[in-house]
Amino acid sequence: NAGVMQNPRHLVRRRGQEARLRCSPMKGHSHVYWYRQLPEEGLKFMVYLQKENIIDESGMPKERFSAEFPKEGPSILRIQQVVRGDSAAYFCASSPELGTAFYGYTFGSGTRLTVV
Amino acid sequence: RKEVEQDPGPFNVPEGATVAFNCTYSNSASQSFFWYRQDCRKEPKLLMSVYSSGNEDGRFTAQLNRASQYISLLIRDSKLSDSATYLCEDTGRRALTFGSGTRLQVQP
Repeated sequence: NAGVMQNPRHLVRRRGQEARLRCSPMKGHSHVYWYRQLPEEGLKFMVYLQKENIIDESGMPKERFSAEFPKEGPSILRIQQVVRGDSAAYFCASSPELGTAFYGYTFGSGTRLTVV
Repeated sequence: RKEVEQDPGPFNVPEGATVAFNCTYSNSASQSFFWYRQDCRKEPKLLMSVYSSGNEDGRFTAQLNRASQYISLLIRDSKLSDSATYLCEDTGRRALTFGSGTRLQVQP
């Protein structure tokens, strides 16, 4: 039973390029959450999705960032026109239908984005 | 006030020591919490849940104090391998909320 899969593990982008981060939840999990962690800082919530629905995007920057979780395939976090301040570790977590109150999160290994 | 607050530390303790740190929360309706452990540059991993009855797992004990709105994590007989950052999570909010973590460094 594979865990939460994120790819790529490391991503280098030049300023102004687009970054696409992918997350496949654990088998049987229908909820996906994206978090960002800046160096030496804590996890910051970005967005919470179910299949084909954005449930809560209150942590997403208003511009350049978007997320989706299509009916088929992984969840995608997309960052357009990246800037140096976007350099961070981006973690994805998943949970089953009942949510984390009962089970907690299972995290993927993260994608480390470096903008040069 | 932040929704979940933790002392960032670091807590530097010798091997074998007992160490405890707290996590305060602002949502008085919250009833369940989790502690996670995060090693440097790796993903957080679930350590234990915390409900009103508390929780104990080997050397680790977690408790909830609802009157004062904090949870605690106690580690007995610290090992070098316990060195990590410990994050608390308040499950009482849909936008699931983590503290910024407390760093523990166990020294030989």
